[in-house]
Amino acid sequence: GENVEQHPSTLSVQEGDSAVIKCTYSDSASNYFPWYKQELGKRPQLIIDIRSNVGEKKDQRIAVTLNKTAKHFSLHITETQPEDSAVYFCAASTMDSSYKLIFGSGTRLLVRP
Amino acid sequence: DGGITQSPKYLFRKEGQNVTLSCEQNLNHDAMYWYRQDPGQGLRLIYYSQIVNDFQKGDIAEGYSVSREKKESFPLTVTSAQKNPTAFYLCASSAGWGAHEQYFGPGTRLTVT
Repeated sequence: GENVEQHPSTLSVQEGDSAVIKCTYSDSASNYFPWYKQELGKRPQLIIDIRSNVGEKKDQRIAVTLNKTAKHFSLHITETQPEDSAVYFCAASTMDSSYKLIFGSGTRLLVRP
Repeated sequence: DGGITQSPKYLFRKEGQNVTLSCEQNLNHDAMYWYRQDPGQGLRLIYYSQIVNDFQKGDIAEGYSVSREKKESFPLTVTSAQKNPTAFYLCASSAGWGAHEQYFGPGTRLTVT
């Protein structure tokens, strides 16, 4: 079945710097890759997603890139702000009829003021 | 995701008691999911349902049960057979049938002593 690995587990950056979180997946047939942001004690919020027919997608300071050949995708946050501090999860869709998502283990991002 | 509600926010139970967690959505979504999140960890799928009166086991279904009698509702029962039930439980829904985007409820934090 699908397996998703996420790195790093923790990331500390200075305010204004960029942050990059990487995920790899095992099922080459997966075609949907969302990223969620979870603040402490809150629900995960979908912040950006990408489908396999697209290589890159941007939304203001957030971008996601996908390399299907290498089976990895990355979240890029530019001009980080303290409010970006949270846990970020990547996920990949399964390709059976269940439309399940397999989640990575999460990255705790700390943006230092 | 404002259309998904979970209650209660905090729940305390004694060991050996069954407890039912509520999940309701008014998004007209066909698919609903239950995840368990332990401190510092990712999301693990307990059960999912793609349509009313049908549900499937996820990766960690042992000690849990669900029902899907109405499209809007997907309650989760944590039984006394679940060996380590203390966790944060998240419900999610998606439009289903090709729509992968999942939106989460606010979660229920269950503590069993």
